[in-house]
Amino acid sequence: AQSVTQLGSHVSVSEGALVLLRCNYSSSVPPYLFWYVQYPNQGLQLLLKYTSAATLVKGINGFEAEFKKSETSFHLTKPSAHMSDAAESVCAVSDLFRGGGNKLTFGTGTQLKVEL
Amino acid sequence: NAGVTQTPKFQVLKTGQSMTLQCAQDMNHNSMYWYRQDPGMGLRLIYYSASEGTTDKGEVPNGYNVSRLNKREFSLRLESAAPSQTSVYFCASSEASTSGRSGSYNEQFFGPGTRLTVL
Repeated sequence: AQSVTQLGSHVSVSEGALVLLRCNYSSSVPPYLFWYVQYPNQGLQLLLKYTSAATLVKGINGFEAEFKKSETSFHLTKPSAHMSDAAESVCAVSDLFRGGGNKLTFGTGTQLKVEL
Repeated sequence: NAGVTQTPKFQVLKTGQSMTLQCAQDMNHNSMYWYRQDPGMGLRLIYYSASEGTTDKGEVPNGYNVSRLNKREFSLRLESAAPSQTSVYFCASSEASTSGRSGSYNEQFFGPGTRLTVL
C-alpha cells in the first residue's frame, strides 16, 4: 500500500524567508507524486506533480519540489515566502484503481503561516 | 468553464435526517470522486466512479451511498446522518486512466467543498 507522511502540521516563516514543507512517501512501485494547496474555504488546487520526467519539478506561484528516490522524499520549497502563500499544502501519491480512476492517497497536510 | 461545482456550500442536519450532496463537472471527465476532510486525518476517499455507470467503495464508505447520474453528475447521499459524519466533503474529477500506470499522473480537479454539521 502507498502512503505519504508530512512532518510538521504547522510551519511558520517570515515573509521573504525560505519555505520548506516536507513529504516522505512509501510505495512499492515508482511513485507519481502531487502537491496540492488549499486556501481557506476553497477546494484543492494543484501546485505541481512528479511523473518521472524530471526530478526537479516547478509549479505555480514559484513553488518547486525535488524527487529524491534515495530519501523517498518530495519536499516542497519556495525561495522567498509571500503573505499570499499562507495556506494548507497537501502531499499525495497516486496509483490506479483496477477498474480505472486514479487512487490518490493524501498526507495530513501542513499549514503554512507567513509572518511580517 | 465552471470546473467542479458542489451544492450546497453549507448544511446543518439533525441526527437521523437524510440529505444528498450534489456534484457536477463540465470538463468531460470520466472519473469522479467523493472525499471527506477531517482535522488531522487528511482527505479520505468515500466512493468513486471510474466511468459513467460504475461506482466503487473507497476507504470510508459506511453510512453513504452514491449515484453516478450521468457523465457530468455524481451525488453523495447520507440516508441517516450521524454526528460522526460532520466533516467537509469534496467532490473531484479526473481524466480516464489510460492503459498501464501512466494514467496515475492525471490530475484530480476539486470542487469548493460542502461543510456539513450533524447535531
